[in-house]
Amino acid sequence: AQTVTQSQPEMSVQEAETVTLSCTYDTSESDYYLFWYKQPPSRQMILVIRQEAYKQQNATENRFSVNFQKAAKSFSLKISDSQLGDAAMYFCAYRSARGSQGNLIFGKGTKLSVKP
Amino acid sequence: DAGVIQSPRHEVTEMGQEVTLRCKPISGHNSLFWYRQTMMRGLELLIYFNNNVPIDDSGMPEDRFSAKMPNASFSTLKIQPSEPRDSAVYFCASRTRGGSGELFFGEGSRLTVL
Repeated sequence: AQTVTQSQPEMSVQEAETVTLSCTYDTSESDYYLFWYKQPPSRQMILVIRQEAYKQQNATENRFSVNFQKAAKSFSLKISDSQLGDAAMYFCAYRSARGSQGNLIFGKGTKLSVKP
Repeated sequence: DAGVIQSPRHEVTEMGQEVTLRCKPISGHNSLFWYRQTMMRGLELLIYFNNNVPIDDSGMPEDRFSAKMPNASFSTLKIQPSEPRDSAVYFCASRTRGGSGELFFGEGSRLTVL
């Protein structure tokens, strides 16, 4: 079974600085999708960024980028120019590409604090 | 467009009472998921539906939990009888067929069982 591990329960960053959140996963499959979700205090889960495993190029969304290392099964999230609104729980998630309707497997999350 | 709509946002009930949580997925989405979030266990998949049919309910804790999806625009998660250990935030999410399969989440229902 696939698993997703986030080894940092909490992280802290100074406003305007850069922070990297770690995620590793375990799978025997070669085709899959990876996601980072943000959960602010409002509780709603919001998609931050996605990566298709067959793409070598790392995904980027404005200040958010990933470092996808397929061989190492690593999928870290980098947040540049951190803002106070980035403070939230961040969840890494995995989905198999086999079949069209499989569910997402989530890590336990990393709580990010942003200091003014 | 409206997102995934869940109700109630908050529910406080006493042990032994029946609890019903409701979800309206995004129109056109054909898969619906129920997750439970707790501090101890994180986000756990309870059950998911494709085209209104339950596909995987292996995450449903026990017989006290049941879920239905009578049509494409409505689903319920019922707990009967409720217990204090059921206290959690319950999320409903939906997605469309194909693509990367990202989930669109509702705002969650926070359940407290006293």
